[in-house]
Amino acid sequence: QKEVEQNSGPLSVPEGAIASLNCTYSDRVSQSFFWYRQYSGKSPELIMSIYSNGDKEDGRFTAQLNKASQYVSLLIRDSQPSDSATYLCAVNEGDSSYKLIFGSGTRLLVRP
Amino acid sequence: ETGVTQTPRHLVMGMTNKKSLKCEQHLGHNAMYWYKQSAKKPLELMFVYSLEERVENNSVPSRFSPECPNSSHLFLHLHTLQPEDSALYLCASSLRGPYITEAFFGQGTRLTVV
Repeated sequence: QKEVEQNSGPLSVPEGAIASLNCTYSDRVSQSFFWYRQYSGKSPELIMSIYSNGDKEDGRFTAQLNKASQYVSLLIRDSQPSDSATYLCAVNEGDSSYKLIFGSGTRLLVRP
Repeated sequence: ETGVTQTPRHLVMGMTNKKSLKCEQHLGHNAMYWYKQSAKKPLELMFVYSLEERVENNSVPSRFSPECPNSSHLFLHLHTLQPEDSALYLCASSLRGPYITEAFFGQGTRLTVV
């Protein structure tokens, strides 16, 4: 059973701080990694994708991938109350070109 | 607006009813998905269609019946559902190539079975 693990949280950070969200996955051959943000009652919104080891930055967001450790993280700099949401990690299963497995998500609370 | 549109947004149905959920994508993608999201559970993959062929059926009960008439449209036909089927049903699409690229979700259908 392929798995994607996330701490459910909530992760509480003050406004302006860096929020660090972590995800581990079980399938060593996974190639595609995504972070989604989901507000309560809404659908998931893609915020970052990463395919190779290292860091990828987009505005206040940085995704980090370490395939050897089977670990992917998301850093949010200068956190804002509007960043309060559940963050979902998604990983493709094995060498599948279509099957995405989602973690259960980490709830982030940014305190004003 | 993600380019993936789902209708209806909300649906209340009795256990003996038949209804359908509709999804349409305007992104030129070649793979479409149905996911189920229940309270406090991870997203569950139900069905995947790639180039109108069903490539994944994740042990979903037969009371859920998908249909993909072309690469832009996806339906989920519902009949004789149970109260535990109440959930958020999400459609997504992606571009399937050597590996999966970004998947975009529709707004979802909040289904309540009474």
